[in-house]
Amino acid sequence: AQSVSQHNHHVILSEAASLELGCNYSYGGTVNLFWYVQYPGQHLQLLLKYFSGDPLVKGIKGFEAEFIKSKFSFNLRKPSVQWSDTAEYFCAVRGTGGGADGLTFGKGTHLIIQP
Amino acid sequence: NAGVTQTPKFRVLKTGQSMTLLCAQDMNHEYMYWYRQDPGMGLRLIHYSVGEGTTAKGEVPDGYNVSRLKKQNFLLGLESAAPSQTSVYFCASSWPGYGYTFGSGTRLTVV
Repeated sequence: AQSVSQHNHHVILSEAASLELGCNYSYGGTVNLFWYVQYPGQHLQLLLKYFSGDPLVKGIKGFEAEFIKSKFSFNLRKPSVQWSDTAEYFCAVRGTGGGADGLTFGKGTHLIIQP
Repeated sequence: NAGVTQTPKFRVLKTGQSMTLLCAQDMNHEYMYWYRQDPGMGLRLIHYSVGEGTTAKGEVPDGYNVSRLKKQNFLLGLESAAPSQTSVYFCASSWPGYGYTFGSGTRLTVV
């Protein structure tokens, strides 16, 4: 079974600071990787995803993530955060073994950006 | 194009009552999922379906039942609600090999 570990449960940054949220996964085969964002009171929105190809993935709102296969990692980055980036961020993995058993999520990182 | 629609958005139940949450998608997606979200736990898969007439158990299926009689609808039932089922429930749908679209959630409180 796959699992996802997000290193930081709570992160507080000032506006314009750089962001990196850690995500490691455990799975024995090929994976699809996702980062979702959940703004307060809202549903999950896809920030970016990795299926194959270039391991550096660019998403919406200036976010990017790098897939490092040897480290089983898919860290999320943003060079300069804004107050509006305050939200919960979830890393998720799906094994590509042919099943359809959904995404496995990390427990989330609550990001607070101070003006 | 509405995407994934969940009804109701909020509900308060008494312990032992039953209810059904409805998820409807208009994207002709083959796969549909029900998750629950609890503080500090992320999202956990309850049940899922790979097509009309099929269902399967996820990580936390106990106390829930599901049905997918039509491709566009995926129902989640609670036969006898318990306080431990207080949560936010999200439905999602996808095509095989593609990303997921989530609904806006149902906030359920069991008292």
